[in-house]
Amino acid sequence: DAGVIQSPRHEVTEMGQEVTLRCKPISGHNSLFWYRQTMMRGLELLIYFNNNVPIDDSGMPEDRFSAKMPNASFSTLKIQPSEPRDSAVYFCASTWEGNYGYTFGSGTRLTVV
Amino acid sequence: AQSVTQPDIHITVSEGASLELRCNYSYGATPYLFWYVQSPGQGLQLLLKYFSGDTLVQGIKGFEAEFKRSQSSFNLRKPSVHWSDAAEYFCAVGRMDSSYKLIFGSGTRLLVRP
Repeated sequence: DAGVIQSPRHEVTEMGQEVTLRCKPISGHNSLFWYRQTMMRGLELLIYFNNNVPIDDSGMPEDRFSAKMPNASFSTLKIQPSEPRDSAVYFCASTWEGNYGYTFGSGTRLTVV
Repeated sequence: AQSVTQPDIHITVSEGASLELRCNYSYGATPYLFWYVQSPGQGLQLLLKYFSGDTLVQGIKGFEAEFKRSQSSFNLRKPSVHWSDAAEYFCAVGRMDSSYKLIFGSGTRLLVRP
């Protein structure tokens, strides 16, 4: 089992550019979560999907953020345009319905300059 | 609203000493409770979880936690800390509905003195 795979591990981009973060959940898991981690705000849930359908996106900070899950094995989190305050570590986690024991990916460290 | 409080931002213990990390939660019913550990540059790893039943739960790496309803606490313990335990520890509460959302505390960074 390869675990939850996130790419890239690190991303440095200029303000105003589009950024796309990718996540491959564990095979068989049908719930997927995107979290953002910063020193100031800790771990924040941005959005989660169940069976590829977005269930709750109330944590998405603003319209510049969007997330998709076109199939059970792939999800993206896009920021357009990016701003320096978006700099954070973004984690993806997956689990199967009824199980709170999430498996987290290693995260993507995003730096917007 | 649900919330999780970890009152200690940093804790330093000597290797071989015992450890207790505090966690308090706010929730209207019996919650699902979790402890995760995050090593530098890594994602979070589940240490243990409590759903119901025995209030003392055992986890991986020699950790245990005790659920105390009267104190709204779920403290993490280890009898003898190893240098490799240095990491950040997060307590989390899960909603008992169909969302499977976890609300995380702010974390406690554990430093281990040789």
